[in-house]
Amino acid sequence: GAVVSQHPSWVICKSGTSVKIECRSLDFQATTMFWYRQFPKQSLMLMATSNEGSKATYEQGVEKDKFLINHASLTLSTLTVTSAHPEDSSFYICSAPRGQPYGYTFGSGTRLTVV
Amino acid sequence: SQQGEEDPQALSIQEGENATMNCSYKTSINNLQWYRQNSGRGLVHLILIRSNEREKHSGRLRVTLDTSKKSSSLLITASRAADTASYFCATGRNSGNTPLVFGKGTRLSVIA
Repeated sequence: GAVVSQHPSWVICKSGTSVKIECRSLDFQATTMFWYRQFPKQSLMLMATSNEGSKATYEQGVEKDKFLINHASLTLSTLTVTSAHPEDSSFYICSAPRGQPYGYTFGSGTRLTVV
Repeated sequence: SQQGEEDPQALSIQEGENATMNCSYKTSINNLQWYRQNSGRGLVHLILIRSNEREKHSGRLRVTLDTSKKSSSLLITASRAADTASYFCATGRNSGNTPLVFGKGTRLSVIA
């Protein structure tokens, strides 16, 4: 149980276009979703925290107008990379906390390549 | 922000040898977790150790935690080629709804 389904697993897009990444909690309600970004050979950096029905909280240095987060329901959080540029190419991964003792459930990640 | 450092950044060993990875963190924690990530893939949760625990075992994994030094170690015994991956420590704060903060990771290569 406790699966977060993340789609797409990989996407290639042209510069200037927008890409939407979805994370769905399949068998539990995710009131909170954490979004991370990971550049090659680096660690996961928290980008933002989304909460169902309210505005997302962004980490310092993350442009909220570029990385649009929507958490409209208890089972779906989306990250839209707007006007993507090659420097946005990265691995994006979501994570939902489930409280003790379940811990955190991670999506399988999305490899974004902007050409 | 990153909690701290992991060392070594990269480790290459022969199959059958033990691999030890270390992690340091900066703030107070409720628990510390270790994850594995195969190249370009998602995370696999390995083990969680609470702040009031000093050592924990799971199969070939042994984790220690020293809260006075704000450090943890992950030992993989009798390593296999399939253990080749990146390993990250991640710390959780008091509330279960706070995000995990990841260390920089150790890239382990196990040579058959």
